[in-house]
Amino acid sequence: KNEVEQSPQNLTAQEGEFITINCSYSVGISALHWLQQHPGGGIVSLFMLSSGKKKHGRLIATINIQEKHSSLHITASHPRDSAVYICAVSPQGGSEKLVFGKGTKLTVNP
Amino acid sequence: GAVVSQHPSRVICKSGTSVKIECRSLDFQATTMFWYRQFPKQSLMLMATSNEGSKATYEQGVEKDKFLINHASLTLSTLTVTSAHPEDSSFYICSARVRSGVSYNEQFFGPGTRLTVL
Repeated sequence: KNEVEQSPQNLTAQEGEFITINCSYSVGISALHWLQQHPGGGIVSLFMLSSGKKKHGRLIATINIQEKHSSLHITASHPRDSAVYICAVSPQGGSEKLVFGKGTKLTVNP
Repeated sequence: GAVVSQHPSRVICKSGTSVKIECRSLDFQATTMFWYRQFPKQSLMLMATSNEGSKATYEQGVEKDKFLINHASLTLSTLTVTSAHPEDSSFYICSARVRSGVSYNEQFFGPGTRLTVL
């Protein structure tokens, strides 16, 4: 079992829909990261959070430390949001290494 | 802020040649940079952790003599794939960790380099 599990693996939505991507992890963490990888391959760091909720534009990330669960929400989705969304955690204990989920491929149709 | 660049973005080379990939932090100092490899439809795999002024720490199974990493300054790390073979064809991504300011401990990723070895 992976230390970081994402669901769903694939998600297809219509433009304008509200999107939720889930991430569960099994280790103690110091932070959780949400990353976006576009078809060209480049990766953008969307959020780093260790508690509560963060919002940036149409993106919202929440984390529940007790339940070891995080969600990434996209409001009013748009075709340009189509990408792979990756959840990664920074384990506790000072390790510098990120542990990655396998990603969620999102396709937003016009 | 916190921009990381990679060069080249794409390289095609013949088997047996060496390829150097540069990773630069453009507007911040990065004492630690990470090199990842990503095969199609798979997640990122950490190859090595590069600390400025010291030897890189390689992950298990990654040949340090084949993947040479140099982190000569606080803004530049290089990965050299020596004697490249077709199985080295992959997408190589670097990231740099911010160690000060509001983005403390966040990692910022470069755009990646797609290596194709013929």
